Amino acid sequence: QKEVEQDPGPLSVPEGAIVSLNCTYSNSAFQYFMWYRQYSRKGPELLMYTYSSGNKEDGRFTAQVDKSSKYISLFIRDSQPSDSATYLCAMSGGNTGFQKLVFGTGTRLLVSP
Amino acid sequence: GAGVSQSPSNKVTEKGKDVELRCDPISGHTALYWYRQSLGQGLEFLIYFQGNSAPDKSGLPSDRFSAERTGGSVSTLTIQRTQQEDSAVYLCASSTSSGGARFGPGTRLTVL
Repeated sequence: QKEVEQDPGPLSVPEGAIVSLNCTYSNSAFQYFMWYRQYSRKGPELLMYTYSSGNKEDGRFTAQVDKSSKYISLFIRDSQPSDSATYLCAMSGGNTGFQKLVFGTGTRLLVSP
Repeated sequence: GAGVSQSPSNKVTEKGKDVELRCDPISGHTALYWYRQSLGQGLEFLIYFQGNSAPDKSGLPSDRFSAERTGGSVSTLTIQRTQQEDSAVYLCASSTSSGGARFGPGTRLTVL
């Protein structure tokens, strides 16, 4: 079993839809949770970063962390064709704090006009 | 401000040659990471540097791979005797001690 599981998609939605992207994980030591967006042939771009459980909102993006269920989500409101990309979740943490990032395999999102 | 930079952006080499990939992290970032990404695949962890601590080398796939970080800043990833399966995009990232790693654009390595 992988430490971080993420549905590879593709997830296809019409423009304006609310998108929900999710990851589950098995390591209860994870405390830091990140979402990255990666366009084709580009490096991952940090979208959201949260520590421990709770919600964080930034514009059209909302990140949620439920440590009791080992489940994290990224919501995109009013999705745009420019949101079409691969979305990667990443996690870190341990007894000594922030450590190496463990990534999901990414979910490919396609937003059609 | 300036982000993470990597050089070269593209590298084509022949099987058996050595290559060096360079990463310039964001100024003041204490942590530096190397990952690689093969076509259509996820990110594979290679090595992690944090301040003056011993690096976490647990992801290096073989002893042909090595990395160093000089003066707590610039890092070089070296691959000796390259093989075709080493072809991938090599990504570097840096962060503060509290996380939020930011990636560079990557070096696309092709081994012929």
